[in-house]
Amino acid sequence: NAGVTQTPKFQVLKTGQSMTLQCAQDMNHEYMSWYRQDPGMGLRLIHYSVGAGITDQGEVPNGYNVSRSTTEDFPLRLLSAAPSQTSVYFCASSYGPDSNQPQHFGDGTRLSIL
Amino acid sequence: GIQVEQSPPDLILQEGANSTLRCNFSDSVNNLQWFHQNPWGQLINLFYIPSGTKQNGRLSATTVATERYSLLYISSSQTTDSGVYFCAVERSGGGADGLTFGKGTHLIIQP
Repeated sequence: NAGVTQTPKFQVLKTGQSMTLQCAQDMNHEYMSWYRQDPGMGLRLIHYSVGAGITDQGEVPNGYNVSRSTTEDFPLRLLSAAPSQTSVYFCASSYGPDSNQPQHFGDGTRLSIL
Repeated sequence: GIQVEQSPPDLILQEGANSTLRCNFSDSVNNLQWFHQNPWGQLINLFYIPSGTKQNGRLSATTVATERYSLLYISSSQTTDSGVYFCAVERSGGGADGLTFGKGTHLIIQP
């Protein structure tokens, strides 16, 4: 069972470059989300989606864009990378809020912005 | 938003010891999960426990929703239990707010 798959696992960018972090799930989950984890802290919500075509902002959305064209995929885009976006990024999925089911997490993408 | 506080922030134990990690939260929740983040950074889901008690091998968890706290018990600790343990909650009626994480308990098990 693949679960939640994130690519790439590691990436180094220069300030101002753009890139897309990929996230895919094979559990037919409606709800998908992106978190970032900074040193010594828990995860903070960036963006989320409750279904294909629907996205919304979380706690720390600035500098990131998302789209949800299919149920399976939820890419996160950095349009112009900044050093403050150096972090570990986690994608998660679940059946949705109030579903009485846990959220499942990918293995993370470690991103460094020079 | 909802506040999540974990204690203790750091814990160093000898192999074989037992430990109790605590998570306090400030509002009603419909989801509470305990995670173990291993040294490779992976988040391992330990328990989904918005209320009640569950056990899985040497680990068990109890959530008292009415008093807004959860406890994670680790018995007969092994070095592989080392890492950071996170509590994360979803506020009831919070819509799609996602999980709010505590800052974690950093556990070191010494051989």
